[in-house]
Amino acid sequence: SAVISQKPSRDICQRGTSLTIQCQVDSQVTMMFWYRQQPGQSLTLIATANQGSEATYESGFVIDKFPISRPNLTFSTLTVSNMSPEDSSIYLCSVGGGSNTGELFFGEGSRLTVL
Amino acid sequence: GNSVTQMEGPVTLSEEAFLTINCTYTATGYPSLFWYVQYPGEGLQLLLKATKADDKGSNKGFEATYRKETTSFHLEKGSVQVSDSAVYFCALTGGGKLIFGQGTELSVKP
Repeated sequence: SAVISQKPSRDICQRGTSLTIQCQVDSQVTMMFWYRQQPGQSLTLIATANQGSEATYESGFVIDKFPISRPNLTFSTLTVSNMSPEDSSIYLCSVGGGSNTGELFFGEGSRLTVL
Repeated sequence: GNSVTQMEGPVTLSEEAFLTINCTYTATGYPSLFWYVQYPGEGLQLLLKATKADDKGSNKGFEATYRKETTSFHLEKGSVQVSDSAVYFCALTGGGKLIFGQGTELSVKP
């Protein structure tokens, strides 16, 4: 298993500002995944972050809005840019379990509220 | 594309009641299937999994069987406890990623 720490755990932000979420893993991993969980809804994959290359974004998500950094094999950041109330969500970092079955381990999430 | 449909919540049960949370899926190929649980104030954690047809995943008294003929992976527990109150997510692998259902909130009353 992997232990994943996210910061901040929660924040209240003003419209138009940007916030960067940090994700630290206790072991080296090739791929890290960023998910969004909007209130009362399921998890939606934002992007996959590989170390040393640009992140791969899912349909409906763009780099200008959600820039991602992956400077090494244990750390990643997701920035939510120019926030609006619609960005109020829980943002989750996850990594693979290494068993090739698709299992993921998740951080506790970062709950953002945009006013 | 691959997708997952769960029964809507919230589900409210009394302690020691029998639990079923329905999950059906649409997929090409042979995905792995998962149930994740999110306890209040905590992150998602894997509850159980099954990687091929007829496999039964089990953990903490919960069970789910991979039914290819009915494309289902229903979660069951014979006797729920207050501590089982959480949101449960069914998920499957597809296109190199995990696809989640909408989640089902379970509330168990003493």
